[in-house]
Amino acid sequence: DSGVTQTPKHLITATGQRVTLRCSPRSGDLSVYWYQQSLDQGLQFLIQYYNGEERAKGNILERFSAQQFPDLHSELNLSSLELGDSALYFCASSKAGGARNEQFFGPGTRLTVL
Amino acid sequence: AQKITQTQPGMFVQEKEAVTLDCTYDTSDPSYGLFWYKQPSSGEMIFLIYQGSYDQQNATEGRYSLNFQKARKSANLVISASQLGDSAMYFCAMSSMDSNYQLIWGAGTKLIIKP
Repeated sequence: DSGVTQTPKHLITATGQRVTLRCSPRSGDLSVYWYQQSLDQGLQFLIQYYNGEERAKGNILERFSAQQFPDLHSELNLSSLELGDSALYFCASSKAGGARNEQFFGPGTRLTVL
Repeated sequence: AQKITQTQPGMFVQEKEAVTLDCTYDTSDPSYGLFWYKQPSSGEMIFLIYQGSYDQQNATEGRYSLNFQKARKSANLVISASQLGDSAMYFCAMSSMDSNYQLIWGAGTKLIIKP
């Protein structure tokens, strides 16, 4: 158990809908990262928050948004869902930045868009 | 630009044998970190081992060790005495100032351990 929690574990929804994925980082970790992993693909970095502030953006679509709250949990909002958004969404957390920033991953949310 | 290359899309290894998973990297930053993660079929991403660019010793964590060859820019993962539970995807990743300390990921190697 990495100490990172994600809810829900599975999510099935329809095209055009909006969903919210939730993540609680490990105790003491200030950074939260969101990743998307499509079937048989590597990890695509979406966005990073550090202590409530957006730190870095990756390949995040405009239909997606995220935030990190004062208690450091984070939410990833996906709207106007398309079939291609079906993927495994990971949240990861780390203590801070720097080269040694081991990221610990949550179990993921598997999103299926029908 | 930073890049991670894992040249082995898949590997079959006999149980109890040692296995080496290849990873080469490219960065101009003298300070960087290298990471290996395991992703079993259940989907979770598990951190295995870390190597810093200034570390004098090769990193080891239980059955996992990292064969770090700085001049060759390689950071191969060695798993000793492989077990059936080692069957998984393995990802190499790198962090450096060049990437604003975001992890740059390789494409992964699918390892299958044969009984």
